[in-house]
Amino acid sequence: EPEVTQTPSHQVTQMGQEVILRCVPISNHLYFYWYRQILGQKVEFLVSFYNNEISEKSEIFDDQFSVERPDGSNFTLKIRSTKLEDSAMYFCASSAQGGSYNEQFFGPGTRLTVL
Amino acid sequence: SQQGEEDPQALSIQEGENATMNCSYKTSINNLQWYRQNSGRGLVHLILIRSNEREKHSGRLRVTLDTSKKSSSLLITASRAADTASYFCATGSGVQKLVFGQGTRLTINP
Repeated sequence: EPEVTQTPSHQVTQMGQEVILRCVPISNHLYFYWYRQILGQKVEFLVSFYNNEISEKSEIFDDQFSVERPDGSNFTLKIRSTKLEDSAMYFCASSAQGGSYNEQFFGPGTRLTVL
Repeated sequence: SQQGEEDPQALSIQEGENATMNCSYKTSINNLQWYRQNSGRGLVHLILIRSNEREKHSGRLRVTLDTSKKSSSLLITASRAADTASYFCATGSGVQKLVFGQGTRLTINP
């Protein structure tokens, strides 16, 4: 069964460093998403991406964040200068169709720890 | 309360019993989805119910939606130890994002 994959599973970085989280969405999906979950809290939407551009973003997704689809398979989330409060589990998701009518398939997540 | 609030926050039952989790939300929605998350793992989609549907079944899962009360429930029948996980409702309202609740931590005791 096709699935969303994410690398690395765990990333430890120093405050102020740049990190890139990688995702490979399901191959025939066209819509891509990033969410995050701070430990013990709810899953929060960060950004959605379609047709090589951001279609929606949340207040969390400020200038420190960027997304990219550098090739036909990868979808990345970059945090330019990490802060302690960026420590969280980051989930990538993809869906075949857009809007929230269709189920979003989630990857296993990358646990980001900022020291 | 915020969009997609589940209750109870934690539920512990014996294997074989039924587990019911509830979700309330505040704004109009197009659909409501339930996800499961095993400890430290990703989110697994369980079921999607559209705003014009009242009840939906999938295996041992039954979801109801009452748009007049802005609430949904997830029933897991004949629970198993493997059902131990956190369960989240997520609402979709016509735009791309899903809004998740805080989740219910379900423990099935053997």
